[in-house]
Amino acid sequence: EDKVVQSPLSLVVHEGDTVTLNCSYEVTNFRSLLWYKQEKKAPTFLFMLTSSGIEKKSGRLSSILDKKELFSILNITATQTGDSAIYLCAVEAEGSGGSNYKLTFGKGTLLTVNP
Amino acid sequence: NAGVMQNPRHLVRRRGQEARLRCSPMKGHSHVYWYRQLPEEGLKFMVYLQKENIIDESGMPKERFSAEFPKEGPSILRIQQVVRGDSAAYFCASSRAHRGLEQYFGPGTRLTVT
Repeated sequence: EDKVVQSPLSLVVHEGDTVTLNCSYEVTNFRSLLWYKQEKKAPTFLFMLTSSGIEKKSGRLSSILDKKELFSILNITATQTGDSAIYLCAVEAEGSGGSNYKLTFGKGTLLTVNP
Repeated sequence: NAGVMQNPRHLVRRRGQEARLRCSPMKGHSHVYWYRQLPEEGLKFMVYLQKENIIDESGMPKERFSAEFPKEGPSILRIQQVVRGDSAAYFCASSRAHRGLEQYFGPGTRLTVT
């Protein structure tokens, strides 16, 4: 069974701190790894990573994938209270028959940024 | 460009009743995915559908649960004879194709079974 493990499960920091969230996975027929931010409702898409070693960046957020060691990290620099959310890591894998793809999610990291 | 729409947003059902959850994908998206989020757990894949076809239902319980995505209209997730353990947030996502493109999520339906 495909597995995605995120750590830490929760994290409390002060505004301005830098945080690193971890995601490790064991899946068959890996296709891509995705990061989502979930506030009160639907997860919103942050990054999709398919190649090892190439950093994706969006403002203060960045992410990188290591396909050899089977993990990814999400970095947030100069955190703000608006960054408080659950950060979800998901892995897209090829399903049976080679024609479908489904996401397996980790349990998420609850990040709280205090002023 | 409206995002993924789900309704109702909140649904309360008594044990034994039926629950119908609806999902309208984003314009131009023909792939729909349903996920369930139980309290204290991550999102779990349930089913993947294209128009009029179920592609992968490996995450869906074998009994009481069914899903459809008709040629016209929204995708429907149907839960018959609900039990307390069905209480959860049900999210729908859609994508333009199923390969290499991100899935966009709807706001979810929170089902409470009393």
